[in-house]
Amino acid sequence: SYELTQPPSVSVSPGQTASITCSGDTLGDKFACWYQQKPGQSPVLVIYQDNKRPSGIPERFSGSNSGNTATLTISGTQAMDEADYYCQAWDSSTYVFGTGTKVTVL
Amino acid sequence: QVHLVQSGAEVKKPGSSVKVSCKASGGTFSSHSINWVRQAPGQGLEWMGRIIPMFDISNSAQKFQGRVTITADKSTSTAYMELSSLRSEDTAVYFCARSIDNYGFDHWGQGTLVTVSS
Repeated sequence: SYELTQPPSVSVSPGQTASITCSGDTLGDKFACWYQQKPGQSPVLVIYQDNKRPSGIPERFSGSNSGNTATLTISGTQAMDEADYYCQAWDSSTYVFGTGTKVTVL
Repeated sequence: QVHLVQSGAEVKKPGSSVKVSCKASGGTFSSHSINWVRQAPGQGLEWMGRIIPMFDISNSAQKFQGRVTITADKSTSTAYMELSSLRSEDTAVYFCARSIDNYGFDHWGQGTLVTVSS
């Protein structure tokens, strides 16, 4: 079955840039989405179709996808961005979520 | 504004079944897919399956095939997920989420905690 691998944790200082990777076989040939989840809350879609932001998502969130890696970038990270982040892709008629990355804003 | 409202928490015995509902309002229910995603305590997100109410077509992750049934009632804009032969490892928060094509899961329910315990 298809697998998406993310680093367990990423630390970033306020105002700096955080990059979260998501690796999967030929992931660049698929569309990648990203979700933010804060403790006790439902996930929120922050990026779809590799690099598009839903209405209401700040411009500091951006995405890219090429080769075997999709990347979520948070520019000018704020304390409110501290959360778990999950990538997602569609493969063989199923959705697959990445393993998840905890972003800590120090 | 789209809202997905799920049924309340459940406590079940091992070997039994649970049925969770997800009622949609404020959008076009039939034309979107309704997905079910679960999250065990302290763990990541796991896609279970989906239904496209317009076509009454459903499919599920291989892991859950034979144990999960996903249905929808277009007349009440409600989707259901039934999981059978429950075991302790099925203890999790179960979410419903709306999607269409490759636009991601843009709206989520509040989650339903299912606890499986003897």
